Amino acid sequence: DAGITQSPRHKVTETGTPVTLRCHQTENHRYMYWYRQDPGHGLRLIHYSYGVKDTDKGEVSDGYSVSRSKTEDFLLTLESATSSQTSVYFCAISANQPGNTIYFGEGSWLTVV
Amino acid sequence: LAKTTQPISMDSYEGQEVNITCSHNNIATNDYITWYQQFPSQGPRFIIQGYKTKVTNEVASLFIPADRKSSTLSLPRVSLSDTAVYYCLVGDNNNAGNMLTFGGGTRLMVKP
Repeated sequence: DAGITQSPRHKVTETGTPVTLRCHQTENHRYMYWYRQDPGHGLRLIHYSYGVKDTDKGEVSDGYSVSRSKTEDFLLTLESATSSQTSVYFCAISANQPGNTIYFGEGSWLTVV
Repeated sequence: LAKTTQPISMDSYEGQEVNITCSHNNIATNDYITWYQQFPSQGPRFIIQGYKTKVTNEVASLFIPADRKSSTLSLPRVSLSDTAVYYCLVGDNNNAGNMLTFGGGTRLMVKP
């Protein structure tokens, strides 16, 4: 399995509080991604990074920000959590090779009450 | 971005061959086609990848016609443990800033 660690794995938080999810990789891969998965919606890309301090928005970026200060860490922040952000969040990584495979983390279950 | 379309769900029985087709009409020249499998409460995992014609590995085959506007994942002799959601992904992350987006996936149910 690819060396991807997500933390926390489970979190319950209150509406309006800030939340940060961390993705840590040991593969030295260039690309990192944050997806969310909700019933009936499959996987939706929130933000991605193509290098240190290089990030861009995905399909559903509103309400989220990201940071990548080191190759191995990609942080996803919900500045003010809302109930609509209750979801499973998956981090993924891939190397800089043509058509290279994406490897996923185990997921972070976030509940906003 | 190459958008993909897959059937929402499929049913099969143990021991049968299952074929899941993905449409990707606006696939780009540099795009590869990759299939993933996802079980409940787990992240998706790689099954197979191809660029053109046919690719086979120990778990599946991938058929890609010459125009590359579709692809078919073939699972031989499925078992109950193959019940999962299967995603088709089209893209090439060799370009800086490439955004890889998934379609809705196909929920495969294998029955005894």
